[in-house]
Amino acid sequence: DTGVSQDPRHKITKRGQNVTFRCDPISEHNRLYWYRQTLGQGPEFLTYFQNEAQLEKSRLLSDRFSAERPKGSFSTLEIQRTEQGDSAMYLCASSKREAANTGELFFGEGSRLTVL
Amino acid sequence: GQNIDQPTEMTATEGAIVQINCTYQTSGFNGLFWYQQHAGEAPTFLSYNVLDGLEEKGRFSSFLSRSKGYSYLLLKELQMKDSASYLCAAERGYDYKLSFGAGTTVTVRA
Repeated sequence: DTGVSQDPRHKITKRGQNVTFRCDPISEHNRLYWYRQTLGQGPEFLTYFQNEAQLEKSRLLSDRFSAERPKGSFSTLEIQRTEQGDSAMYLCASSKREAANTGELFFGEGSRLTVL
Repeated sequence: GQNIDQPTEMTATEGAIVQINCTYQTSGFNGLFWYQQHAGEAPTFLSYNVLDGLEEKGRFSSFLSRSKGYSYLLLKELQMKDSASYLCAAERGYDYKLSFGAGTTVTVRA
C-alpha cells in the first residue's frame, strides 16, 4: 500500500501525559498537512510543511503542540501535557501541488486520541 | 481569512437527487474542492473546480461561481452507499492551503 499511513491509529492517555503521532506521506509528495477533526465537524487546519520547512502553524494551536518533518519525508506531531479538549482525530494528508495538477490532498486513516 | 458555510444535514430517498450548497469567503481564493467522508474513515477526493461552471463526473457534478463565492455538489441517482459527510474546502491561491467547512451529512433512505 503506497497511501498515507499514520501511527498509532488509536491512543488513550491520561491528562498531563505527552503523546506523539507519526505520519508517512506518499513518497513523491512534497507537502504534508496536519488537521484535527472532532465529531460532526470538518477537518481543522493545524500546520503544514513543504519538504522539511514548516510554512504555517494555526494560531489556534497552543505552544503544547509541535510538529516536525526533519528530512522532508515522515512527520511527527507531539502534544505535550495533554488536556481533555485535545481528544480528537488527528488527520495527516499529503499532496504534490504543482501548477499542472489539482494538488488534491490524500488523507491517512487518522490517529484517534482520547484523553482521560 | 476563511469562512465556509454549508448545511449541516440533508436527507433524501434512494434514486433521488440532492444538491449540497457551499458559500465561501476566502482571501486569495484559487479553487474549490469537495471531499466525501464516511463515518470513521478518512476524507476522499470527489471534485475540484477552479473555473466557473459545471464539472460532471459520473453521478456527481460540482459547480462553481467565483463572483458569487458559491459552489454546489450535485449527487444524482442516490444510492445507500452515498450516505456520508460531504466536505467543501476552499483553496488559497498563494500557497494552495485548504480550509474545510464543517461538512454536510447526507442520509439516503430506502
